[in-house]
Amino acid sequence: DVKVTQSSRYLVKRTGEKVFLECVQDMDHENMFWYRQDPGLGLRLIYFSYDVKMKEKGDIPEGYSVSREKKERFSLILESASTNQTSMYLCASSLGSGGTYEQYFGPGTRLTVT
Amino acid sequence: AQSVAQPEDQVNVAEGNPLTVKCTYSVSGNPYLFWYVQYPNRGLQFLLKYITGDNLVKGSYGFEAEFNKSQTSFHLKKPSALVSDSALYFCAVRDKNAGNMLTFGGGTRLMVKP
Repeated sequence: DVKVTQSSRYLVKRTGEKVFLECVQDMDHENMFWYRQDPGLGLRLIYFSYDVKMKEKGDIPEGYSVSREKKERFSLILESASTNQTSMYLCASSLGSGGTYEQYFGPGTRLTVT
Repeated sequence: AQSVAQPEDQVNVAEGNPLTVKCTYSVSGNPYLFWYVQYPNRGLQFLLKYITGDNLVKGSYGFEAEFNKSQTSFHLKKPSALVSDSALYFCAVRDKNAGNMLTFGGGTRLMVKP
């Protein structure tokens, strides 16, 4: 079974702090994704990566950056946290190119910025 | 651009009755379609997908979905609902020409009452 793990289930940070969210997958998947989930808005893609050191912006990249130094690890960085970044953050991974493969999700990190 | 609509925020059904969760999509080319389920405080789990071939797709936990190209719909169905099916359901679409980016609907909460 594919396993996607996220470093924290719950996180509370102060406005202006730099925040790191870590995601690790154990199935050698090429693609990794970061989403945020807000009630009524579904999941919105922040960034994704299709290879080590490669990244592409999703629908809502503003205020975020990402890092993928190793294939199994994909980090989401909030450079200066703001209250409107309070949300559930979900990491996912999937196999290769072509878009036919399903994504496997981690349990999520609920981030509160005060 | 690709988009997904889940017109119902919540669907209520009695245990043992059939259930339907609706999804319509918009893509410029041919779609890849997915259903995911999210149980409380969990990440999303893959249920089923339509890539090509038979319009009726069967997935996990007795769920199925029918791809209807003329109506641009991909409704999720189950012949007999269980209380344990109560969860948040997400439909997602990927245009075959849009790489690996999925677009999710806003989600539908399914409540199955005993």
